[in-house]
Amino acid sequence: EPEVTQTPSHQVTQMGQEVILRCVPISNHLYFYWYRQILGQKVEFLVSFYNNEISEKSEIFDDQFSVERPDGSNFTLKIRSTKLEDSAMYFCASSDFGAYQYFGPGTRLTVL
Amino acid sequence: AQTVTQSQPEMSVQEAETVTLSCTYDTSESDYYLFWYKQPPSRQMILVIRQEAYKQQNATENRFSVNFQKAAKSFSLKISDSQLGDAAMYFCAYRSVSGSRLTFGEGTQLTVNP
Repeated sequence: EPEVTQTPSHQVTQMGQEVILRCVPISNHLYFYWYRQILGQKVEFLVSFYNNEISEKSEIFDDQFSVERPDGSNFTLKIRSTKLEDSAMYFCASSDFGAYQYFGPGTRLTVL
Repeated sequence: AQTVTQSQPEMSVQEAETVTLSCTYDTSESDYYLFWYKQPPSRQMILVIRQEAYKQQNATENRFSVNFQKAAKSFSLKISDSQLGDAAMYFCAYRSVSGSRLTFGEGTQLTVNP
């Protein structure tokens, strides 16, 4: 069964550094998403992406965040200057035209 | 803005018994989707069941079923014949037909006792 993959599984970085989280969505999917989950809290929507542009973003997704689909398979989330409060699990998801979003296994980001 | 509320932070059930997890939501829309996701200790998000608001019939998936009460804006999950592998955090989620984001509740941690 096709699945969403994410790399790395765990990323440790220093405050102020840039990080790029990578995702490979399911190949025939057209909609892509990033969510985050701070430890012990609920999952929060960050951004959705369709047709090479952002279709919706939350209040969390400020100027330090950006997304890109650099080629036909990858979907990336960049955090320009990481803060301690960016430490969280980041989930990528993808969907076709249906309502169901398939989630990847997540990347645990630790900012020191 | 839509909100999703799960009022039970923790629930426990005996193996082979039935448990019901509660979820309420607030929306002004008439058409939308509702989901239950399971998050085991691995933290992978796994879809358990989905419900389209325009469908009156409650969704079922094997041992999992929902009680969808549209007027009351309630969407509870019933797990029958609970198994040890059902132990996880369960999240209720809402998605508008016109939007793309999933809005999640706070989660219910389910423990299954042998």
